[in-house]
Amino acid sequence: DVKVTQSSRYLVKRTGEKVFLECVQDMDHENMFWYRQDPGLGLRLIYFSYDVKMKEKGDIPEGYSVSREKKERFSLILESASTNQTSMYLCASSLYPPRLAGYNEQFFGPGTRLTVL
Amino acid sequence: KNEVEQSPQNLTAQEGEFITINCSYSVGISALHWLQQHPGGGIVSLFMLSSGKKKHGRLIATINIQEKHSSLHITASHPRDSAVYICAVLFRETSGSRLTFGEGTQLTVNP
Repeated sequence: DVKVTQSSRYLVKRTGEKVFLECVQDMDHENMFWYRQDPGLGLRLIYFSYDVKMKEKGDIPEGYSVSREKKERFSLILESASTNQTSMYLCASSLYPPRLAGYNEQFFGPGTRLTVL
Repeated sequence: KNEVEQSPQNLTAQEGEFITINCSYSVGISALHWLQQHPGGGIVSLFMLSSGKKKHGRLIATINIQEKHSSLHITASHPRDSAVYICAVLFRETSGSRLTFGEGTQLTVNP
């Protein structure tokens, strides 16, 4: 059974803290994604990675960074958390990247609901 | 700008009813996905379409490329179908393709 796991389901942090969100997949996928989901806005891509140590900015990268040191693990880092980063964060992985014609489905993790006070 | 619009935003139905959720998009696409998100957050893929129609159990997805429109139908709805249904569109761009998500439709099926 394929799996994408995220380190926490719920997280509460204070403004200015450095926050790490971890995502692990066991499908040997090259491509991993971080999204945030907000009411009325749908899922928006923050960053994606198409290989170890390779990354590309998504639609809303400001205030975030990522790390992909191993193929199975993709971390999202909030360098200095702010209240407007309170959101649901979803990690996903896929065999092919969206820009290739052979794109197929993305597998999503359960999400981390982050609250920044 | 590539856009994806879903309707309705919220839908309440009685168990057994036939349900339709719509997705419209603005320009040419490579493929369209229908996703299901249950309370608690996890998202699963239901269908990927580039033309025609697909069926899985009580779920049917159709796409009309000329009209830039897709529908997700649920026959004989059940309370366990209650979830957010998300349309995600793979837009063709000069640099490749880009995945854009609709806002989602919250479906509640009452017993």
